[in-house]
Amino acid sequence: GQNIDQPTEMTATEGAIVQINCTYQTSGFNGLFWYQQHAGEAPTFLSYNVLDGLEEKGRFSSFLSRSKGYSYLLLKELQMKDSASYLCAVTDSNYQLIWGAGTKLIIKP
Amino acid sequence: IAGITQAPTSQILAAGRRMTLRCTQDMRHNAMYWYRQDLGLGLRLIHYSNTAGTTGKGEVPDGYSVSRANTDDFPLTLASAVPSQTSVYFCASSLTIGTGTGANVLTFGAGSRLTVL
Repeated sequence: GQNIDQPTEMTATEGAIVQINCTYQTSGFNGLFWYQQHAGEAPTFLSYNVLDGLEEKGRFSSFLSRSKGYSYLLLKELQMKDSASYLCAVTDSNYQLIWGAGTKLIIKP
Repeated sequence: IAGITQAPTSQILAAGRRMTLRCTQDMRHNAMYWYRQDLGLGLRLIHYSNTAGTTGKGEVPDGYSVSRANTDDFPLTLASAVPSQTSVYFCASSLTIGTGTGANVLTFGAGSRLTVL
């Protein structure tokens, strides 16, 4: 079966760095996405990785290792507004998105 | 403002009633999707459409139907609502499905919270 695993919840301190991991087992791979979802709101696109390596976008970076079926989202200089759920999703061989359940990130002052 | 509009924002519905959730996008995206989101579970695809005139079944299609008469609109219908359909429903769109710039990058509507009693 197809499966995306990510931690249910993480806590971090304002100004610190946090890494949210995602492991996947899917039938085929055509890219990995990270989305941010604030409570009560819609998910919004953060990043896309299709090749191995690190993609940096401001305070956020996303890493992919296809051989290990592994990705992480790195958030630097955490701000209170970063409190949200972070969703990992993989595009399978049919270009359908398989979603993880999301990681709720709690930022403490 | 370009984006996706969903209606209603929330609705309480008696079991057995018929309900249509509306979704309209103005980005001229080819692909559209309906997801449901339940606590502790990932987004689950109900139905999708690659382009106007075509639809496909997702992971959890039973009890739901869709139509795609034109590029902009993608309504979701619950023919006879049941309590297990209580959920938050998100409509989404992407430029296309497959390869190419913008493929599979989803833009979501604000969601419709549905409660079936």
